[in-house]
Amino acid sequence: AQKVTQAQTEISVVEKEDVTLDCVYETRDTTYYLFWYKQPPSGELVFLIRRNSFDEQNEISGRYSWNFQKSTSSFNFTITASQVVDSAVYFCALSGETGANNLFFGTGTRLTVIP
Amino acid sequence: EAQVTQNPRYLITVTGKKLTVTCSQNMNHEYMSWYRQDPGLGLRQIYYSMNVEVTDKGDVPEGYKVSRKEKRNFPLILESPSPNQTSLYFCASSFLGGTEAFFGQGTRLTVV
Repeated sequence: AQKVTQAQTEISVVEKEDVTLDCVYETRDTTYYLFWYKQPPSGELVFLIRRNSFDEQNEISGRYSWNFQKSTSSFNFTITASQVVDSAVYFCALSGETGANNLFFGTGTRLTVIP
Repeated sequence: EAQVTQNPRYLITVTGKKLTVTCSQNMNHEYMSWYRQDPGLGLRQIYYSMNVEVTDKGDVPEGYKVSRKEKRNFPLILESPSPNQTSLYFCASSFLGGTEAFFGQGTRLTVV
């Protein structure tokens, strides 16, 4: 069974602070995919990143970075120098080998960036 | 423009009155899926389809039906809606193989 845990329900930071959103996953599959999606107040789901289980390289995209560690089954997301526009709910998701596109979502972390 | 289109965006209905939420994608994706989002529960999969005429249950299929007669369309049918189906619904599509899913803008359904 696939499972994603986002233990942080809500986080508040002051603008320009760095913040890390945690994601821990469980799967028995050898091949799997991890995702992060952003849901701004307007409600749509915005794709941020996809990682496959064979690629443990960390990734940086502007102020965003992701740390994938298979040893701890974690795929954490860091926002550097946060901005008010980063305020949103962030979802971590997992899909596995069987039904490879079926996404299992965590319960989300609501990030509020205070100006 | 590549997109997934859901209609309607908002719907208020009464218990027992059949309704259909439409979903259409223009990216030639094989895979389509429906999710519902509820506070504190994240998104949970209702049904999915890996190709035309191929559909299967997700984690929370009770009370829902789907069909996939054409590659681009994947409607969600509630034959007898109940208040516990009040939720935010998302349709998604993607190519097969664990690729990025594109989501529609969501349908907020209220059943009274």
